[in-house]
Amino acid sequence: SQQGEEDPQALSIQEGENATMNCSYKTSINNLQWYRQNSGRGLVHLILIRSNEREKHSGRLRVTLDTSKKSSSLLITASRAADTASYFCATVASGGSYIPTFGRGTSLIVHP
Amino acid sequence: DVKVTQSSRYLVKRTGEKVFLECVQDMDHENMFWYRQDPGLGLRLIYFSYDVKMKEKGDIPEGYSVSREKKERFSLILESASTNQTSMYLCASSPRYSPLHFGNGTRLTVT
Repeated sequence: SQQGEEDPQALSIQEGENATMNCSYKTSINNLQWYRQNSGRGLVHLILIRSNEREKHSGRLRVTLDTSKKSSSLLITASRAADTASYFCATVASGGSYIPTFGRGTSLIVHP
Repeated sequence: DVKVTQSSRYLVKRTGEKVFLECVQDMDHENMFWYRQDPGLGLRLIYFSYDVKMKEKGDIPEGYSVSREKKERFSLILESASTNQTSMYLCASSPRYSPLHFGNGTRLTVT
């Protein structure tokens, strides 16, 4: 079952612009994770935000979490061509097994 | 750096064949996972394991089985491959209650 759903499905921007991706989910979560996947490769973990956190930063990445709206956003500032990849959110439900459930992803293209 | 190694990047098999996909991690992680990734469907969990010889079904276990005889190795088995199992297969590992480390995937084609 797909817990998180990313929006938009695809995003095309110019180098230097900011990229914002959103993730919505349905049930209560323990945490939400963002991953990146370069074409033909495995996923790489970027950032984890816990249910009691509202915002986290890591370099050019900013993640927000609004548990009342069951949504999260990933902002990449000053994007570079090397940021071209697919981005996935994964939710870990509160209680039960610690099993990340992934969305369908956002495909980001950054034009040089 | 954590390394998760999948034995093959590309595999081509015939319908009805028994297929083994191997995954090895080098960080003594308790948890290991097999996902399949299809365009428009994202990642779907096939099986996971939280300890040696332990396994749990994910969302789409039908047609698959797994084996974890040693902590570092988690094998995915397609008992009788079918064309609808053509997909990218991703193995991942993690310590308990931590994010996942993925291998680079095996692209399996069943003809």
